[in-house]
Amino acid sequence: EAGVTQFPSHSVIEKGQTVTLRCDPISGHDNLYWYRRVMGKEIKFLLHFVKESKQDESGMPNNRFLAERTGGTYSTLKVQPAELEDSGVYFCASSQGLTNEQFFGPGTRLTVL
Amino acid sequence: EDQVTQSPEALRLQEGESSSLNCSYTVSGLRGLFWYRQDPGKGPEFLFTLYSAGEEKEKERLKATLTKKESFLHITAPKPEDSATYLCAVQSGTSGTYKYIFGTGTRLKVLA
Repeated sequence: EAGVTQFPSHSVIEKGQTVTLRCDPISGHDNLYWYRRVMGKEIKFLLHFVKESKQDESGMPNNRFLAERTGGTYSTLKVQPAELEDSGVYFCASSQGLTNEQFFGPGTRLTVL
Repeated sequence: EDQVTQSPEALRLQEGESSSLNCSYTVSGLRGLFWYRQDPGKGPEFLFTLYSAGEEKEKERLKATLTKKESFLHITAPKPEDSATYLCAVQSGTSGTYKYIFGTGTRLKVLA
């Protein structure tokens, strides 16, 4: 069974540019989460989808971040325009139920110059 | 405010030298406590879920325990391949809005 996949693995962009990260969850997992780890800090929750609906987006830093989940399958996280402080590793995770363990993707390392 | 604290930040062990990692938490409405292992450049890999005080789970050289305030990850006779960052996460919240709160992790290095 394929795990959670993320694309790209690395992205280097300049301040002010736009970047879109993609996550493909494990097939059949209704719950999809986005997290971010800034260097030296803990992994922090960004938002949670149940199927195509945003269940909780309280962790989104500001309105430069936009997440979508088309048809309840893959999800994208767009940062527009990117700022220096957006640099970090963005993880996606999926789970079958709300209280089940979450399976994480390998992450996308975003560097904003 | 919900909080998860892991200690120590880093730990070096000789192969075969058993030890324990700690995860202390303060949350309202604990739904579950999760342990993950993370290798460099990879995402966290699920190890255990604990739901109630007194619960224990084992897997190979690892054993996780839970009390009302903390969890321990015991490593018995570790091997170099156990070297990784071990993350603790607590899930809290009410119906439909469960949040994961991570600790900063313990970096474990096992020397041959």
